[in-house]
Amino acid sequence: AQSVTQLGSHVSVSEGALVLLRCNYSSSVPPYLFWYVQYPNQGLQLLLKYTSAATLVKGINGFEAEFKKSETSFHLTKPSAHMSDAAEYFCAVTLTEAGNNRKLIWGLGTSLAVNP
Amino acid sequence: DTEVTQTPKHLVMGMTNKKSLKCEQHMGHRAMYWYKQKAKKPPELMFVYSYEKLSINESVPSRFSPECPNSSLLNLHLHALQPEDSALYLCASSQEERRGGYTFGSGTRLTVV
Repeated sequence: AQSVTQLGSHVSVSEGALVLLRCNYSSSVPPYLFWYVQYPNQGLQLLLKYTSAATLVKGINGFEAEFKKSETSFHLTKPSAHMSDAAEYFCAVTLTEAGNNRKLIWGLGTSLAVNP
Repeated sequence: DTEVTQTPKHLVMGMTNKKSLKCEQHMGHRAMYWYKQKAKKPPELMFVYSYEKLSINESVPSRFSPECPNSSLLNLHLHALQPEDSALYLCASSQEERRGGYTFGSGTRLTVV
C-alpha cells in the first residue's frame, strides 16, 4: 500500500540558508510523487511533480526535488530560503484503487519557518 | 484559464441552515474533488467525481451532499452541520491520468455556529 512520511513537522531556517524538507514514500508500483505548498489562509499549490521522467525535478519558486528509488525518498530543496517561503509543505503520492479510482495519499506536512 | 474558483471564500452558518459551496474550472479536467482540511493538517478526501459521476465517497456524513451539474461545476450542499464541521473546504480538479497534478482552489473557510 502506498504511504508517505514527512520527517520533521517543523523546520526552521535562516533567510539565505538551504531548505531541506524530507519525504519518504512506500509504494508497490512506480510512484507518482508531488510536493504542494500552502500559504496561510490559501489553498494548495503544486510545487513540482515526479512522473518517471527525470529524477531531478525542478519546480516553481526555485524549489527542486530528487527522486531516489534506492532510498524511497523525494526530498524537497531550495538553495537559499526567502522569507516568502514560510508556509506548510505537503508531500503526496498517487494511489490507484480497483476500478481505477485515483487518490492522493498525503504526508502530515512540514511547517517551514524562515528567520531573518 | 488555469484556475479553480471557489465561492464563497468565507461562510458562517447555523446548525439548522442550508448552504452550498460552489467550485468551477475551465481547464477541461474530468476529475473533480472535494476535500476538508483542518488547520495544520493534510486535506482529507471527501468526494471524487470522474466524468461527472460520483466515483468515490469517503464515508462522508449525509449532511454533506455533492453535486456535479456539468464537467466544469461542482457543488457541495450543506445541511444541519455540526460545529466540528468547521474547516477549510477545498475543491480540486485534475486530468484523469495518474501522473497529473491536482489544481486546487483557494477554499471556503466554513464556520458552523
